[in-house]
Amino acid sequence: DVKVTQSSRYLVKRTGEKVFLECVQDMDHENMFWYRQDPGLGLRLIYFSYDVKMKEKGDIPEGYSVSREKKERFSLILESASTNQTSMYLCASSFPGQGEETQYFGPGTRLLVL
Amino acid sequence: QKEVEQNSGPLSVPEGAIASLNCTYSDRGSQSFFWYRQYSGKSPELIMSIYSNGDKEDGRFTAQLNKASQYVSLLIRDSQPSDSATYLCAVNIPGDYKLSFGAGTTVTVRA
Repeated sequence: DVKVTQSSRYLVKRTGEKVFLECVQDMDHENMFWYRQDPGLGLRLIYFSYDVKMKEKGDIPEGYSVSREKKERFSLILESASTNQTSMYLCASSFPGQGEETQYFGPGTRLLVL
Repeated sequence: QKEVEQNSGPLSVPEGAIASLNCTYSDRGSQSFFWYRQYSGKSPELIMSIYSNGDKEDGRFTAQLNKASQYVSLLIRDSQPSDSATYLCAVNIPGDYKLSFGAGTTVTVRA
């Protein structure tokens, strides 16, 4: 079974704090993704990575950065948290090949920024 | 035009009935199609993938793909209260690693 884990299920932070969200997958997937999900807005891609140290911006990268130093681990960083970053954050991973684009999601981190 | 559109919900069906969910996509080059189920407060989980035209059945779920008409549907037969969830349609973006997700259709199965 594919397993994608995220470091926290719930997180409460204050405005201006630096926040780290970690994601680990155990399936040797090359691709990893960070999404946020808000009511009425669906899943929005923040960043994705297709290899170690490689990253590409998604649809809403502003205010976020990422790090991928090891294949199994993909971190999302909120440099200075703001209240509009309160959301559900979802990590996913997949293989790179055509016909193998299935993304497997972690349990999610619900972040509240006060 | 959104890349992936799903019929707006919520969809309410009686227990035991068939729930029918529809999804249309804009990129004719897409080849891989997925249905995810997401319970409230949880993350999406894959329930079906389909790559060829026609029907694919898995238990009470049937995915139907028509590439010529650019739509994919999901039928849930003998709907159960445990099927109450939001269903997300996802389509691959040709030449890219990413999936494009629809906004989801919320299904409520009433006893």
